Amino acid sequence: EAQVTQNPRYLITVTGKKLTVTCSQNMNHEYMSWYRQDPGLGLRQIYYSMNVEVTDKGDVPEGYKVSRKEKRNFPLILESPSPNQTSLYFCASMGVAGGNEQFFGPGTRLTVL
Amino acid sequence: AQSVAQPEDQVNVAEGNPLTVKCTYSVSGNPYLFWYVQYPNRGLQFLLKYITGDNLVKGSYGFEAEFNKSQTSFHLKKPSALVSDSALYFCAVRPRSGGGADGLTFGKGTHLIIQP
Repeated sequence: EAQVTQNPRYLITVTGKKLTVTCSQNMNHEYMSWYRQDPGLGLRQIYYSMNVEVTDKGDVPEGYKVSRKEKRNFPLILESPSPNQTSLYFCASMGVAGGNEQFFGPGTRLTVL
Repeated sequence: AQSVAQPEDQVNVAEGNPLTVKCTYSVSGNPYLFWYVQYPNRGLQFLLKYITGDNLVKGSYGFEAEFNKSQTSFHLKKPSALVSDSALYFCAVRPRSGGGADGLTFGKGTHLIIQP
């Protein structure tokens, strides 16, 4: 089954404790992206990757890092989480033809105390 | 900068009645347009998209959307609403021009509530 998976689905942590949210896709997509969803703000892009070893900032990259060492994986790293990073996070992937839709993972709900 | 507006935070419709969820956008050129749906505690599911051609696009679960270039709108519609259509709906755009992030710009979402 074609899918995007994320782990963990739920995470409660404390300020400053480094964490990683994993994302994996099995569709051989070149493009992957991370979004955060906040009430009243919709989804906002954090980082994206056009292919292996190619990453770039989205609209709200501060406080986040990513890496793309393999085509299928695109982890999101919070080196020193803060309470304002409490949010619902989605990973997405897409084949790079222009009109393609993005496929989204199930989401990771992060709470930073 | 591109933007998407969903002017209604919530839309209430009686089951069996037609529904419309509004979306307008501001982006240079002719963008790709998308609708996604989010059910509680779930990720976003793709509903439909406009790339080119016929202005009326049909998608999943009986939904359709009408692209109106002059009004820069892409309203989501369904002729007869079901209670199971109750969810959060997002409109999104992506520019056609190459070299960009290919990221989607989302509206803030519209809660659709279908009353039995």
